This record gives sequence, C-alpha cells and structure tokens, in this order.
Amino acid sequence: GEDVEQSLFLSVREGDSSVINCTYTDSSSTYLYWYKQEPGAGLQLLTYIFSNMDMKQDQRLTVLLNKKDKHLSLRIADTQTGDSAIYFCAESLNDYKLSFGAGTTVTVRA
Amino acid sequence: SQTIHQWPATLVQPVGSPLSLECTVEGTSNPNLYWYRQAAGRGLQLLFYSVGIGQISSEVPQNLSASRPQDRQFILSSKKLLLSDSGFYLCAWRGHPNTGELFFGEGSRLTVL
Repeated sequence: GEDVEQSLFLSVREGDSSVINCTYTDSSSTYLYWYKQEPGAGLQLLTYIFSNMDMKQDQRLTVLLNKKDKHLSLRIADTQTGDSAIYFCAESLNDYKLSFGAGTTVTVRA
Repeated sequence: SQTIHQWPATLVQPVGSPLSLECTVEGTSNPNLYWYRQAAGRGLQLLFYSVGIGQISSEVPQNLSASRPQDRQFILSSKKLLLSDSGFYLCAWRGHPNTGELFFGEGSRLTVL
C-alpha cells in the first residue's frame, strides 16, 4: 500500500511541545521524512530518519519511529509562532518516489 | 549550491486554454525531477517524474503532460485546461541518491475559471 495518514489539525500554546503523528503502510520504506510548508510556499525538508533508527534529534525537533507499528512522530519543543505551518510526513516507496500524507496544519496560539 | 525555480508563481486561466509551467534546476546534473499537485485540504499527488532527458513517467491519467527537453528543465503542460486542474503545482528534484529526499520549488498557483 502507499497510504500515509496524519491528523489534519493541531493547536498548541506557544512554549508548549507539539507532537505530530503519522502512520504509513509500506514496511519496506527505507527513509521517512518530515516537511514544513509555510503559506504560499513550497515544501521545506525538516528532517528525515533511516528506517533502522528509533529516534533522531535535531535541535528542537525529535523524530520517533516505531517500525513495528509503522508510526512516525515529530515533536517540536518550545513551539514558537514561526512554527505555525503545515507539516507533511512522507515515506520512500522506491528509488524514485515519495508518498506524502495530507499534512497537519499546526496553529500556535499565544 | 543547488537551486530550483518555478514560474509563473501565479496563473489564472480560462477553461479550455493551454498551460505551460516551467521548472529549472541549477547546480546539479542529471537530477530526478518531479511534478506534484497539491489540492486544497489534500496531500501531494505525484503527477510525473523524470530520470533523464526525454524520459517521463506518468503516475495518474489526466489532462496534463510533462516534457524534459533539457537536463535541468522540466515542463508541465496542458492543451485544454479543466476546472479540476486548479491547484498548487510543485516541482522538485531529488537530492542524495541514498537518502532520497526531495527539494521543492516555490510552487505555482493555478486557478482555472
């Protein structure tokens, strides 16, 4: 299967942590990715994780991968107003293609 | 460093008119290139990808076509636009062959009236 699913909306208070969840179906995916899209712009690669890793941390971002459950999450610590955006989860299907979820719109409130 | 550009950024076209969106990549050679469409409230749908000049793979039967006349140029076209062609079109190139991440252009907003 080639389905990546994520919740559509997340509202978080400034300074709190955000957790965005994603499930994927292709157990052979080698890499999984998180992208950020600001209004009217293209997608910006935030981070990716290799399928044999459980966790990857990069400054305020932490990616957790549960390969058994095919579950991926992105945690943003100390969420700021600039983190308001749409976040996409994606999995690699083969050498050429990525499959994307529908995106989670994160709204940061003061 | 590598850069990717798309144009036009915004386009409003009547139904039945032709379309040409252009994408160019600089700073890399023989990249894999992609066209995605993003409809409101939906994810990214892969339309076409290309692994080389003149090589186009179509993912979804539709009213659109793609061409790659030069190594770093990827064009999305239509002879007659439909209302359902409206959307945000994103061009991308593939980075490292092992990690497979895509790098996207700024996007082209198409509105068909």
